[in-house]
Amino acid sequence: DTAVSQTPKYLVTQMGNDKSIKCEQNLGHDTMYWYKQDSKKFLKIMFSYNNKELIINETVPNRFSPKSPDKAHLNLHINSLELGDSAVYFCASSQSRMSLSSTDTQYFGPGTRLTVL
Amino acid sequence: QQQVKQSPQSLIVQKGGISIINCAYENTAFDYFPWYQQFPGKGPALLIAIRPDVSEKKEGRFTISFNKSAKQFSLHIMDSQPGDSATYFCAASIVGGGADGLTFGKGTHLIIQP
Repeated sequence: DTAVSQTPKYLVTQMGNDKSIKCEQNLGHDTMYWYKQDSKKFLKIMFSYNNKELIINETVPNRFSPKSPDKAHLNLHINSLELGDSAVYFCASSQSRMSLSSTDTQYFGPGTRLTVL
Repeated sequence: QQQVKQSPQSLIVQKGGISIINCAYENTAFDYFPWYQQFPGKGPALLIAIRPDVSEKKEGRFTISFNKSAKQFSLHIMDSQPGDSATYFCAASIVGGGADGLTFGKGTHLIIQP
């Protein structure tokens, strides 16, 4: 009964390839996120999705594209992978932020370690 | 521009001691301040969080102290245990008005020595 799950846990690929990471949450949350954690463990938000609409997109290359088939899923597609894309990618979810009374807790998945060779 | 600055980068505390991690923020619009705990190979997990309408929040051995005028907040871990050894992240966000992500500090690697 994992709240936020990601697949795969590890992903090793060659430069130039296209890959996808899947994320699913069973919490009934309205908002999902993707974060990147670099080798120094710095966590930075990449995208958030609320009700299937992209809300924010921090200066992320357009090689990265989030796709949300439904409220419970937010997949991350990466085209033309580069060495610098190597990192751990975390999916997270939270309740809708539209209400001031809503909770703000973001629940994180276990992460996907991407290694680009 | 780093909006949330965290210190120290690493911290070693003896078992039973008090661990203190500090954070400072720049954006006065931030109004939600969580702390996350991350073990190796795992995702960050919410530890404790505070809103700026209170100056302190305590949950078990973990306490957040918040100073709105100084734009600073800190995590205190009382009676630190070896199982507390992990990386701790402070974060900040803005409540309401649509989805928003967390702005994280750079993390503190905490080691509790037995």
